[in-house]
Amino acid sequence: EDQVTQSPEALRLQEGESSSLNCSYTVSGLRGLFWYRQDPGKGPEFLFTLYSAGEEKEKERLKATLTKKESFLHITAPKPEDSATYLCAVTGSNYQLIWGAGTKLIIKP
Amino acid sequence: ETGVTQTPRHLVMGMTNKKSLKCEQHLGHNAMYWYKQSAKKPLELMFVYSLEERVENNSVPSRFSPECPNSSHLFLHLHTLQPEDSALYLCASSQERGWYGYTFGSGTRLTVV
Repeated sequence: EDQVTQSPEALRLQEGESSSLNCSYTVSGLRGLFWYRQDPGKGPEFLFTLYSAGEEKEKERLKATLTKKESFLHITAPKPEDSATYLCAVTGSNYQLIWGAGTKLIIKP
Repeated sequence: ETGVTQTPRHLVMGMTNKKSLKCEQHLGHNAMYWYKQSAKKPLELMFVYSLEERVENNSVPSRFSPECPNSSHLFLHLHTLQPEDSALYLCASSQERGWYGYTFGSGTRLTVV
């Protein structure tokens, strides 16, 4: 069964304290892995698409990486405005988009 | 206005009421989606429309009825809902079905009393 598991459920960091969020997946024939950011009271905002193991994408303080079993969202020297819930999703050979439950990231000043 | 716009932002309704959620996109996208988001649970896909035709209906109860009159507008008609239907309902659009860089609206927070 296709599945996406995100960990941790919540993460509290001090401003400037780098860390990583994990997205583990099981899918037949990975076609793409997607990261979204969701602020309170808003819909998810698309960040990255990764297509194959070894691929990396960067945007400001965020860097997404992909292996055959998981993806990491690395956040370097985070700022309070990076606080949000980060969602991961995958699609495989059946073209269904499978979502994780998200990681709530809180950055304290 | 650009992007995906959802109205109303908040809705409280009784179990015997009938109401509708509205979604409008100004991006020229061909596919539109309704999702349900409950606390600490993954997004649940409800309906998919591609070129105004419903292409997916993921075992959603009949008390939820979608409508897509044109490629820019999507509605979700609600009737005789249950308290467990309380959630954030999100509309999204994409260039075409199978393109997953969705643009989401801000959602409608629905409370069923």
